[in-house]
Amino acid sequence: EPEVTQTPSHQVTQMGQEVILRCVPISNHLYFYWYRQILGQKVEFLVSFYNNEISEKSEIFDDQFSVERPDGSNFTLKIRSTKLEDSAMYFCASSELGSYSNQPQHFGDGTRLSIL
Amino acid sequence: AQKVTQAQTEISVVEKEDVTLDCVYETRDTTYYLFWYKQPPSGELVFLIRRNSFDEQNEISGRYSWNFQKSTSSFNFTITASQVVDSAVYFCALSEAMNRDDKIIFGKGTRLHILP
Repeated sequence: EPEVTQTPSHQVTQMGQEVILRCVPISNHLYFYWYRQILGQKVEFLVSFYNNEISEKSEIFDDQFSVERPDGSNFTLKIRSTKLEDSAMYFCASSELGSYSNQPQHFGDGTRLSIL
Repeated sequence: AQKVTQAQTEISVVEKEDVTLDCVYETRDTTYYLFWYKQPPSGELVFLIRRNSFDEQNEISGRYSWNFQKSTSSFNFTITASQVVDSAVYFCALSEAMNRDDKIIFGKGTRLHILP
């Protein structure tokens, strides 16, 4: 069964550094998402992406964050200048047709980001 | 506004007991989707079920069953004859069809401990 893959599984970065988290969504999917889960807390929506532009973003997704689909297969989340509070598990997800699909969003296994 | 409440933060039961995880949701949309996800200690999100708001039939899948009641805005999850491998955090979640991008709003999760 096709999967959403995320790399790396664990990223350790110094505070203030830029970090890029990578995701390869399922190939025929059109909607892409990033979610964040701070340790021990709930999963929170960050951003959705459709047709090469941001569809919706939460208040967490400030100017330090950006997303890109650089080559038609990868979907990346960049944090420009990381802070300690950015330490979390970041999940990428993709779905085929948004609300009108019978299929749910497929989640990757997550990238654990640790900011030192 | 959409909201998912999982009042039970943590539950412990002895193996083979039945356990029900509660979920109450709020939405202004008439068309929406409800989900349950399992997050084992390894951290990934495992999709368990998606139910749309027009389908109030209860669902059973092996030892798992779900009780959807629109009248009380609840979507409870029961594990019958629990096993140690069921130990995980379980998230109830909601997506409104009005959102073109299908973002998912998660509850805070219930940590389930199955004791041998």
